Amino acid sequence: AQSVTQLDSHVSVSEGTPVLLRCNYSSSYSPSLFWYVQHPNKGLQLLLKYTSAATLVKGINGFEAEFKKSETSFHLTKPSAHMSDAAEYFCVVNLATGNQFYFGTGTSLTVIP
Amino acid sequence: GAGVSQSPSNKVTEKGKDVELRCDPISGHTALYWYRQSLGQGLEFLIYFQGNSAPDKSGLPSDRFSAERTGGSVSTLTIQRTQQEDSAVYLCASSLAGQGLGNTIYFGEGSWLTVV
Repeated sequence: AQSVTQLDSHVSVSEGTPVLLRCNYSSSYSPSLFWYVQHPNKGLQLLLKYTSAATLVKGINGFEAEFKKSETSFHLTKPSAHMSDAAEYFCVVNLATGNQFYFGTGTSLTVIP
Repeated sequence: GAGVSQSPSNKVTEKGKDVELRCDPISGHTALYWYRQSLGQGLEFLIYFQGNSAPDKSGLPSDRFSAERTGGSVSTLTIQRTQQEDSAVYLCASSLAGQGLGNTIYFGEGSWLTVV
């Protein structure tokens, strides 16, 4: 069995401060892991993905995530939040042997001016 | 095409009417997915197509929902006798193949359905 847990449904940060969005997964196999961003009234856009190469993955817009197998985590970070980062973020897991992508429930990021 | 294309982008329909939502995946992508996202909610898996294999329909919420994929490309999601609880964004996605590490799923902009 596998699942994805996004530990915070809402995160609020001040502009210019670091962002941390937490994601934990459970899987018996080596997974592919993704972060997607969804701006209001838009579809989902891929931010970054992990596929068993480097554990620190860099994505678009200054985001990065680190795969930690020992902690079964794939937290998303950004050193300095920008107003345009306000959106919904989804952590996603896919198994090599599976045909489904499993989505977390999402984290809503608010950036305070 | 360059990305996943969905139509209509917005649809308002009366309760009890049937609706069809269309998805045109990225050219060459053999896997196609439909998801539903209700207001303020996460994504709910509906159905998955992979090549010529039988689709995985395990996420369809009721027999009012059906989907087909013609010629391994364009897909149509049909909702019969719509109910107000069907109001949601219906997201289509595609990937190069369903299996294998590294396959990335790409989303369309969604079809926003409102049942009045």
